[in-house]
Amino acid sequence: SQKIEQNSEALNIQEGKTATLTCNYTNYSPAYLQWYRQDPGRGPVFLLLIRENEKEKRKERLKVTFDTTLKQSLFHITASQPADSATYLCALDSLGGLGGGSQGNLIFGKGTKLSVKP
Amino acid sequence: DTAVSQTPKYLVTQMGNDKSIKCEQNLGHDTMYWYKQDSKKFLKIMFSYNNKELIINETVPNRFSPKSPDKAHLNLHINSLELGDSAVYFCASSSQGLAGPNEQFFGPGTRLTVL
Repeated sequence: SQKIEQNSEALNIQEGKTATLTCNYTNYSPAYLQWYRQDPGRGPVFLLLIRENEKEKRKERLKVTFDTTLKQSLFHITASQPADSATYLCALDSLGGLGGGSQGNLIFGKGTKLSVKP
Repeated sequence: DTAVSQTPKYLVTQMGNDKSIKCEQNLGHDTMYWYKQDSKKFLKIMFSYNNKELIINETVPNRFSPKSPDKAHLNLHINSLELGDSAVYFCASSSQGLAGPNEQFFGPGTRLTVL
């Protein structure tokens, strides 16, 4: 069956360190993968999109990698700050799922709650 | 200037009632979506609309029906509400890029509580 797993429900790190979040998937061949940030009581906010033919994408302190062989994406936040504390969600397009699906339909992981301590 | 807005933000109602949640986007996007986020924070797609046509209908009960009066609005109607419908419902929108869909913009959510 199709699965998206984010490595841990919670991740605690010290300010200034690099946070690394993992997203693994099985029985998918996504054309792209997206990462979102969600703060309590708010809707998810888009951060980065990486396509299957891209190995790495960067935006300021954020970096995303996409390994279609390992079926894994890594999301890094360098020089982390307490303001980075939030839940981070990875999402795949369902078009690459075994059961088909429509382009644009995102399947979300359960998220990893990141806490950055000062 | 809110990009994707939803009303109401909170909705408390009794079992068996019928209710609606409204969503509007001012981004000029051609696709809108409804998601349900349950108590375990799992975000799941319910519907999407593209140019007033339903292009995805996930396995949700037919008590839920999306209605799109125009490209900027996608409302969610729920009939005969049940306890299990309690959740946060998010509306989202996106545009179609040259290489596929672009990122989705989410509304602030509507917390539905069924008593």
